Amino acid sequence: ETGVTQSPTHLIKTRGQQVTLRCSSQSGHNTVSWYQQALGQGPQFIFQYYREEENGRGNFPPRFSGLQFPNYSSELNVNALELDDSALYLCASSSPGQGIRETQYFGPGTRLLVL
Amino acid sequence: GESVGLHLPTLSVQEGDNSIINCAYSNSASDYFIWYKQESGKGPQFIIDIRSNMDKRQGQRVTVLLNKTVKHLSLQIAATQPGDSAVYFCAENMDSSYKLIFGSGTRLLVRP
Repeated sequence: ETGVTQSPTHLIKTRGQQVTLRCSSQSGHNTVSWYQQALGQGPQFIFQYYREEENGRGNFPPRFSGLQFPNYSSELNVNALELDDSALYLCASSSPGQGIRETQYFGPGTRLLVL
Repeated sequence: GESVGLHLPTLSVQEGDNSIINCAYSNSASDYFIWYKQESGKGPQFIIDIRSNMDKRQGQRVTVLLNKTVKHLSLQIAATQPGDSAVYFCAENMDSSYKLIFGSGTRLLVRP
């Protein structure tokens, strides 16, 4: 186990709705990255948060947004859900700045189904 | 449990044999590489990493080889066990970015 937790584990929404996914990072980690994993594919980077600010963003539209809190936990929000948003959403935590490349440790993911 | 990938390349090996999983990475500027293991219904689990100033790194039962000339990465698993059955992803990273770029994955099936 990595110590990264995510909630909920599964979620069903309808097209056009909004969803919030949550992540608690591993103790001592101040950076959280979010990834989307469609069935049969590798994870794709959505964005990263470091010290409560967005630190990089992948090729996802603005309806994907996030937050990081002072305790380094994070939320991923998706507005105006589309059918193609159905995927496993993964959160990974890391701790840059300690002289090592930022190994990212993943949580179990939230499975989102959009109907 | 749910399936991680339905149409991934599959490597089938006999229990006790060695496994070799290959990965072609995309960016010649990438200088850090990681192998992850993903079991059904779980998030990716870190296995081993390697930096571009190395061409080989060994862990417990695993070895990663890096060939920068042809942008190729491989993961060798010695004495493959049933618990090694999973989908394996390589990921690359550039020093200027915290983003990991994942490959498409390979499913490893271990026959008893």
